[in-house]
Amino acid sequence: AQTVTQSQPEMSVQEAETVTLSCTYDTSESDYYLFWYKQPPSRQMILVIRQEAYKQQNATENRFSVNFQKAAKSFSLKISDSQLGDAAMYFCAYRDALTGTASKLTFGTGTRLQVTL
Amino acid sequence: DTAVSQTPKYLVTQMGNDKSIKCEQNLGHDTMYWYKQDSKKFLKIMFSYNNKELIINETVPNRFSPKSPDKAHLNLHINSLELGDSAVYFCASSQEFSGVGNQPQHFGDGTRLSIL
Repeated sequence: AQTVTQSQPEMSVQEAETVTLSCTYDTSESDYYLFWYKQPPSRQMILVIRQEAYKQQNATENRFSVNFQKAAKSFSLKISDSQLGDAAMYFCAYRDALTGTASKLTFGTGTRLQVTL
Repeated sequence: DTAVSQTPKYLVTQMGNDKSIKCEQNLGHDTMYWYKQDSKKFLKIMFSYNNKELIINETVPNRFSPKSPDKAHLNLHINSLELGDSAVYFCASSQEFSGVGNQPQHFGDGTRLSIL
């Protein structure tokens, strides 16, 4: 079974600084997808960024980028120019790339990010 | 317009009662899910339906019965509620059978269920 590990229960970053959230996963599959979701206090689950395992290029979405290391099974999230609105729980998630089949998301335990002035 | 909507947002009830949570998506997706987020914020899949057919059932007690009247709706009925059922329940949807991979799941805002 696939597992996702987030080893940082809490992180703190100053406004305008950069922070990196760690995620490792375990799978025997060669093709899969990885995601970072953000959950602010409002409880919504918001997709931040996604990465296909077959792509070597790291995904980027504005201030958010990932460092995907397939051999190491590592998928970290970098937030640049941190803003107060970035404060939230961040979840790393994995799913198999099963063609034509619904596939569940397996989540890590989350990292709570605080943004300070 | 809300893409995935759940009702109610909050549900407070007593142990032993039966309750339902409704979910609707207007994204035209063919697959819907229920996830449970416990008090430690851990999210875990419960069920998945594709076009009204059950696809994933993750060792959930049979007190939980999902029902999908059509592909846009996936309701969750819970019988004989127990204290351990207190959690936030998220509905999600995605387009799976499109031949295009990496379709992200879109989540509803969650239903916080509190058992007294």
